[in-house]
Amino acid sequence: DQQVKQNSPSLSVQEGRISILNCDYTNSMFDYFLWYKKYPAEGPTFLISISSIKDKNEDGRFTVFLNKSAKHLSLHIVPSQPGDSAVYFCAASVRGNTPLVFGKGTRLSVIA
Amino acid sequence: DTGVSQDPRHKITKRGQNVTFRCDPISEHNRLYWYRQTLGQGPEFLTYFQNEAQLEKSRLLSDRFSAERPKGSFSTLEIQRTEQGDSAMYLCASSQSGTDGYTFGSGTRLTVV
Repeated sequence: DQQVKQNSPSLSVQEGRISILNCDYTNSMFDYFLWYKKYPAEGPTFLISISSIKDKNEDGRFTVFLNKSAKHLSLHIVPSQPGDSAVYFCAASVRGNTPLVFGKGTRLSVIA
Repeated sequence: DTGVSQDPRHKITKRGQNVTFRCDPISEHNRLYWYRQTLGQGPEFLTYFQNEAQLEKSRLLSDRFSAERPKGSFSTLEIQRTEQGDSAMYLCASSQSGTDGYTFGSGTRLTVV
């Protein structure tokens, strides 16, 4: 039973354009959502998060949108840069109560 | 503080052998998590500790897997009688309770031959 789903295994975007990574979840108890970025041979690093009381959180080039009714969130990267090429994981939890549940990840390739 | 440290980075072992991995969390973090990641998958939760107490271990993959955090600082993950299906990246993360961001280590890549 996959509670966090990232249905696109890969995404290619030209440098300077917008990257949109999507994530769906099934557990309506989840109230905290995070995006992690992972380079090869390294552990995941925290990128941005959003609480269920918000529908948008922005940090520089990164914006996360949350649609609770659709149980969907997305990560927007604008403008995309070659250094953004990595695997992006969506994660969710019941805040303060449960360990993070991760999706399978989306490999983003930003082409110069 | 140099972040979360995992040792070894790589381990190759023969099927049937026991292996032990170590994780040193960020010193002020009281929570420590173990995850496993296989190719094409996201990190899969195994177990976690708050200080020395193991709060969840039902997700450990079998009774061949065990974890300890004896003094609430570093932790070890042991796999007994390894099988080829145990080949994966084992990730450790830490956090401070009351916060939500985990800091991950670089992982230990296990190959069972």
